Amino acid sequence: GENVEQHPSTLSVQEGDSAVIKCTYSDSASNYFPWYKQELGKRPQLIIDIRSNVGEKKDQRIAVTLNKTAKHFSLHITETQPEDSAVYFCAANAGGTSYGKLTFGQGTILTVHP
Amino acid sequence: SAVISQKPSRDICQRGTSLTIQCQVDSQVTMMFWYRQQPGQSLTLIATANQGSEATYESGFVIDKFPISRPNLTFSTLTVSNMSPEDSSIYLCSVATGSTDTQYFGPGTRLTVL
Repeated sequence: GENVEQHPSTLSVQEGDSAVIKCTYSDSASNYFPWYKQELGKRPQLIIDIRSNVGEKKDQRIAVTLNKTAKHFSLHITETQPEDSAVYFCAANAGGTSYGKLTFGQGTILTVHP
Repeated sequence: SAVISQKPSRDICQRGTSLTIQCQVDSQVTMMFWYRQQPGQSLTLIATANQGSEATYESGFVIDKFPISRPNLTFSTLTVSNMSPEDSSIYLCSVATGSTDTQYFGPGTRLTVL
């Protein structure tokens, strides 16, 4: 089955700096890669996703890049703000007949210091 | 996106008892999933809830322990049976709408087993 590795496990930045979180996946049939933000005590919220037919997607201060050949994708947050502090999870879907299933990375605790 | 609710939001249960968690969506959805999130951990898929048929369980999860129902396209239940303290977790349902595999999560049920 799919295996998703996420790094780093913790990331501490100063407000205004950029933050980058990286994930690798194992299943070459995966074609959908969402990112979720989970604040303490809250549900995971989808913040951005990318499909395998594009290499990059941006939404204001966040962007995701995908390298299908290397089987890795990254989340980039620019001009970080304290409210960006949360746990971020990457995920990859299962290919083939396992439509819709997501496998999640281990999570990254992002702390943005004012 | 669909509005998803879960009941109960939290519960404290005694060892050996069972708890049924409900997931209700305000519109018909294609797919419904149940996840477990152990304290400080990532999300692990328990099963895909199939409308009108038996759920599809992931490795390590069995129907006797986690029976699931999905009687229609807007509702599903997950039962945690014969609970032990190791079952203390947050249980989340998620839904995917239309023909995409984009998933949105319910608010979760925080279960503590004493």
